[in-house]
Amino acid sequence: AQTVTQSQPEMSVQEAETVTLSCTYDTSESDYYLFWYKQPPSRQMILVIRQEAYKQQNATENRFSVNFQKAAKSFSLKISDSQLGDAAMYFCAYRRNFGNEKLTFGTGTRLTIIP
Amino acid sequence: DVKVTQSSRYLVKRTGEKVFLECVQDMDHENMFWYRQDPGLGLRLIYFSYDVKMKEKGDIPEGYSVSREKKERFSLILESASTNQTSMYLCASKWQGQNGGYTFGSGTRLTVV
Repeated sequence: AQTVTQSQPEMSVQEAETVTLSCTYDTSESDYYLFWYKQPPSRQMILVIRQEAYKQQNATENRFSVNFQKAAKSFSLKISDSQLGDAAMYFCAYRRNFGNEKLTFGTGTRLTIIP
Repeated sequence: DVKVTQSSRYLVKRTGEKVFLECVQDMDHENMFWYRQDPGLGLRLIYFSYDVKMKEKGDIPEGYSVSREKKERFSLILESASTNQTSMYLCASKWQGQNGGYTFGSGTRLTVV
């Protein structure tokens, strides 16, 4: 079974600084997707970034980028120029490419932005 | 925009009651999911459905059942609510296929007293 591990329950960062959230996963599959989701106090889960395992290039979305290390099964999220609106729970998630479409989530990291 | 609507934002029920949590999506998605979210445990999959009347158990199905009679509606049922089912419940839906994104509802915070 696939597992996703987020070892940092809480992180904090000064506004405008850079922070990196860690995620490792375990799978025997070679083709899969990895995701970072943000959950603000409104509870709405928002997709931050998506990585396809067969793509070597790390995904980026504006201030958000990932460091995808397939051999190490590591998928960290870097947030640059942190803003107050980035404060939220962040979840790493995994989905195999074929078969059922379920997402497997990590336990989450609560990110606090210090003004 | 795709919408996933959960019927209640907050719900308080008594131990032993039968509880229905409703989820409706408006974009003809084949796949629908029920997750439970607890602090320190993240989101855990209870059940999912890939078509009308089709369902599969997730990682923690015990104490729950589901119903999907119409494509747009996926109901989570607690046959006899217990205090350890106090939690946040999130519904999600998705098109079949690699490129479909997941859309989540805003969650139902259920308290069983």
